[in-house]
Amino acid sequence: NAGVTQTPKFQVLKTGQSMTLQCAQDMNHNSMYWYRQDPGMGLRLIYYSASEGTTDKGEVPNGYNVSRLNKREFSLRLESAAPSQTSVYFCASSEGPKGYEQYFGPGTRLTVT
Amino acid sequence: ELKVEQNPLFLSMQEGKNYTIYCNYSTTSDRLYWYRQDPGKSLESLFVLLSNGAVKQEGRLMASLDTKARLSTLHITAAVHDLSATYFCAVEPNAGKSTFGDGTTLTVKP
Repeated sequence: NAGVTQTPKFQVLKTGQSMTLQCAQDMNHNSMYWYRQDPGMGLRLIYYSASEGTTDKGEVPNGYNVSRLNKREFSLRLESAAPSQTSVYFCASSEGPKGYEQYFGPGTRLTVT
Repeated sequence: ELKVEQNPLFLSMQEGKNYTIYCNYSTTSDRLYWYRQDPGKSLESLFVLLSNGAVKQEGRLMASLDTKARLSTLHITAAVHDLSATYFCAVEPNAGKSTFGDGTTLTVKP
């Protein structure tokens, strides 16, 4: 099992460019999450999907959109990147939305210049 | 707005010593998680605490949850260098919506 995979690992964007971060899990988990981690801080939830077909906003959703493509895949899109979106982005999955540990992907390091 | 506070934020310990990391949170929740992050790496789940009084132990780490005090502790016994990492607690008052603390960076010195 690969667990949770993310692509790309690194990305540099110019202000105003768009991109999509991809995430996939092979653990048959129902719930998936996108977080960002800024230097010296904990993770902040951007969006999550409790189950296939549903998505909901987290703590910091502005500037992002998500798509739960199927049970395995959950993508995060930046429509018009801003320097404030420079961060490390982690995707995670869990068996369910409540009371289950989350399994994290390796992260995508994004720099917006 | 839920606040999750960890202290200390930085901890330097001698090998063989004991210490406790605290995680306080500001709203009712009976679901709390502890994760470990090595530098430049992803997060790894350590403990899942799902009720008041829950206690979990793995090796030199023991976590507990007091929902009435809104407090969780992560106790380190006889620290070893391999425990050097950043430890995060996360509180889940609503299904799917976890709020993380800022992390405690632990350095264990010989």
